[in-house]
Amino acid sequence: GAVVSQHPSWVICKSGTSVKIECRSLDFQATTMFWYRQFPKQSLMLMATSNEGSKATHEQGVEKDKFLINHASLTLSTLTVTSAHPEDSSFYICSAEGLAGYEQYFGPGTRLTVT
Amino acid sequence: ELKVEQNPLFLSMQEGKNYTIYCNYSTTSDRLYWYRQDPGKSLESLFVLLSNGAVKQEGRLMASLDTKARLSTLHITAAVHDLSATYFCAVDIGIEYGAQKLVFGQGTRLTINP
Repeated sequence: GAVVSQHPSWVICKSGTSVKIECRSLDFQATTMFWYRQFPKQSLMLMATSNEGSKATHEQGVEKDKFLINHASLTLSTLTVTSAHPEDSSFYICSAEGLAGYEQYFGPGTRLTVT
Repeated sequence: ELKVEQNPLFLSMQEGKNYTIYCNYSTTSDRLYWYRQDPGKSLESLFVLLSNGAVKQEGRLMASLDTKARLSTLHITAAVHDLSATYFCAVDIGIEYGAQKLVFGQGTRLTINP
């Protein structure tokens, strides 16, 4: 139980284009999902918290118009990186809050490379 | 500013030895998590510690939480090569806001040599 998937697992895009990453909770409903970014050999940094049916909360320093988040259903949140630049290349990991409210279940991650 | 600091950041040890990874944090929290990350992979949940004095064990790993000292430890007993990975602790600072907010430590890269 408590499986979270991400799609795609890796993507290469050209600078200036937009990329959408999907995060799905497969066997449970998640009111809240989270998006993290991890640069090589670094820790995870929370980018935004996504709540179903409402606007996402972006962390300080994360541009909400560049990193668009949509949580349209209880099983799907999407992150769109708009006008991607090489410095956006990173490992993006989503997680979904479990029913108990104190645990997060992490997706397998999406590796984004912007050329 | 909240800090979650792990010590050591790099650890190379021999199989069969014992060692401890420390996680100090600078704010009040009763929730601390330990994760394992293999190269190129996402996080695997190891332990969820939800109260002062919590101790959990799974195989060769044991985690504890002292909320008064703002310290958690991850103890490795008789290490084996398969435990080589990067280990992260994370503190939930969102409890008072009614929503989770995890702040991660820097990670400890553990290498276990035969």
